[in-house]
Amino acid sequence: SQTIHQWPATLVQPVGSPLSLECTVEGTSNPNLYWYRQAAGRGLQLLFYSVGIGQISSEVPQNLSASRPQDRQFILSSKKLLLSDSGFYLCACGASGGPEETQYFGPGTRLLVL
Amino acid sequence: AQSVAQPEDQVNVAEGNPLTVKCTYSVSGNPYLFWYVQYPNRGLQFLLKYITGDNLVKGSYGFEAEFNKSQTSFHLKKPSALVSDSALYFCAVRGRTTSGTYKYIFGTGTRLKVLA
Repeated sequence: SQTIHQWPATLVQPVGSPLSLECTVEGTSNPNLYWYRQAAGRGLQLLFYSVGIGQISSEVPQNLSASRPQDRQFILSSKKLLLSDSGFYLCACGASGGPEETQYFGPGTRLLVL
Repeated sequence: AQSVAQPEDQVNVAEGNPLTVKCTYSVSGNPYLFWYVQYPNRGLQFLLKYITGDNLVKGSYGFEAEFNKSQTSFHLKKPSALVSDSALYFCAVRGRTTSGTYKYIFGTGTRLKVLA
């Protein structure tokens, strides 16, 4: 079964600084990869998804970007952080992409922008 | 448009009692429904899903969910609650992204508190 790693686990950054969050997946090949943000410990918002290397789709316009340089690596970035970027960031992977796909989530990165 | 509603912000139940966490959905076409649990400062863990077939779906940690098409509901249940079940529970339905692929649409979550 797949294992999802995220780091760092916690990050405190000043406004205007850059950001790089990393997600790697083990135990599966050619996964669909997803970045979510969870604000205030509640609802999850899909930010980006990727069905293959170099293929990124954005769900909402924002200050963030994503990249997939390798099959099992997914990176979330920002050139200049905003206060509103604070939140809990979750990486997830799925196998099929179809309606029945089960997504499995990593442990998350908590980002605080000051 | 697809949507999911979790009408209860929090559910309190005594240990040993049965628990129910409610979820209703709105979809066009066949519903694909999921339940996840989140413990503090952790990622979401998959509990169970309904794709087709038997309306009663059994999942991890003794949880089950009942799909009711006429009431458009997918309530999560457990016969006997444990203190360790205290967590945040999310219901989700599969919907479409702007480019036509599938994505999860999550409810706002229900916090379950099991009292000893």
